[in-house]
Amino acid sequence: DQQVKQNSPSLSVQEGRISILNCDYTNSMFDYFLWYKKYPAEGPTFLISISSIKDKNEDGRFTVFLNKSAKHLSLHIVPSQPGDSAVYFCAAGNTGTASKLTFGTGTRLQVTL
Amino acid sequence: KAGVTQTPRYLIKTRGQQVTLSCSPISGHRSVSWYQQTPGQGLQFLFEYFSETQRNKGNFPGRFSGRQFSNSRSEMNVSTLELGDSALYLCASRPGGGGYEAFFGQGTRLTVV
Repeated sequence: DQQVKQNSPSLSVQEGRISILNCDYTNSMFDYFLWYKKYPAEGPTFLISISSIKDKNEDGRFTVFLNKSAKHLSLHIVPSQPGDSAVYFCAAGNTGTASKLTFGTGTRLQVTL
Repeated sequence: KAGVTQTPRYLIKTRGQQVTLSCSPISGHRSVSWYQQTPGQGLQFLFEYFSETQRNKGNFPGRFSGRQFSNSRSEMNVSTLELGDSALYLCASRPGGGGYEAFFGQGTRLTVV
């Protein structure tokens, strides 16, 4: 049972445009969400997080939106840069179970020139 | 501040052997979690240690075990290795006193032949 889903395995966006990566979850107990970026043979790099008490969080070019009623979150990258090309993972957790994060299967983003 | 350090980076073992992987968390972080990443299953939570005690455990067989030392360094052990244990093993650290973000090391690539 996949509790966190990223239904788009890949996404290609032109440099300078907006990249939108989507994530859906099924477990209502999740109360915080994170996005990670990963290059091959490296560990995931934390990008941005959001608590379930918020519906938006911004950090520079990265914005995460949370729609609790739809159990959906999205990561917006504006403007997209070639260095953003990587696999992006959505992760969810519950403050009661601390560090146990449930990850989606990832979306490969390619930013083209 | 140094990041999460995992050793070794690469390892090749034979079926039936055992292996120990090491993780040094970010200085001051007391929570260490372990994850397994495989192409088929994605990133899956193994267990978490906090102040030398296992606080959470994922759905892995008893062949997978871990421990944490008083300096927060952690080791993960896999006994009686199987071909399916070939994966990237990732360690993540958190302060443990709150905050959502988990910071990952570069991982240990284990190949079982």
